[in-house]
Amino acid sequence: DTAVSQTPKYLVTQMGNDKSIKCEQNLGHDTMYWYKQDSKKFLKIMFSYNNKELIINETVPNRFSPKSPDKAHLNLHINSLELGDSAVYFCASSQEGTLGKLFFGSGTQLSVL
Amino acid sequence: AQSVTQLDSHVSVSEGTPVLLRCNYSSSYSPSLFWYVQHPNKGLQLLLKYTSAATLVKGINGFEAEFKKSETSFHLTKPSAHMSDAAEYFCVVSGVTGTASKLTFGTGTRLQVTL
Repeated sequence: DTAVSQTPKYLVTQMGNDKSIKCEQNLGHDTMYWYKQDSKKFLKIMFSYNNKELIINETVPNRFSPKSPDKAHLNLHINSLELGDSAVYFCASSQEGTLGKLFFGSGTQLSVL
Repeated sequence: AQSVTQLDSHVSVSEGTPVLLRCNYSSSYSPSLFWYVQHPNKGLQLLLKYTSAATLVKGINGFEAEFKKSETSFHLTKPSAHMSDAAEYFCVVSGVTGTASKLTFGTGTRLQVTL
């Protein structure tokens, strides 16, 4: 069983469209994250949720909106996609008390044309 | 603020030879440091972590790292490289926000292993 699963794996879309990426974890963790990896492999945190509550919100455009319907799911909705949004987006989860030990999904490669 | 610097963007070794991936950190207090590995088209996986216990930390797949406060370094080593070690390696420092780990990643070192 995949511990942290993201869908879709690839997403190709036009500028201006709205798209969502879904993430689910079956590890029973209470904290979930979204990270963005750019074309130079640089990874940066975007958001973190703990038990459906937003606790980390980095400097990310308002067009990005995370939603956590329950603690096993964290989705990412992106409005009015721009060329610069092209990247690989990783979902991750962790358990309280396990500092720095994150379990990552395999990523969603977003290409905005 | 905490940060990490990976000194090499690309390292190439022959199979069976030692691996050294270098990382320096900057922190105003005792940091929690990690190495993560990313194989092609995969998510990241934790290799090992240092959280102020033993300074020599052993991880998975034969990797280890030594925390040296005097040198502000946390280099990753392996005695003998294997072809399957070819991947991108990230040195990471972690802060905490509430119950969440806020990871700050280095820029990555791509390890190439040749026959």
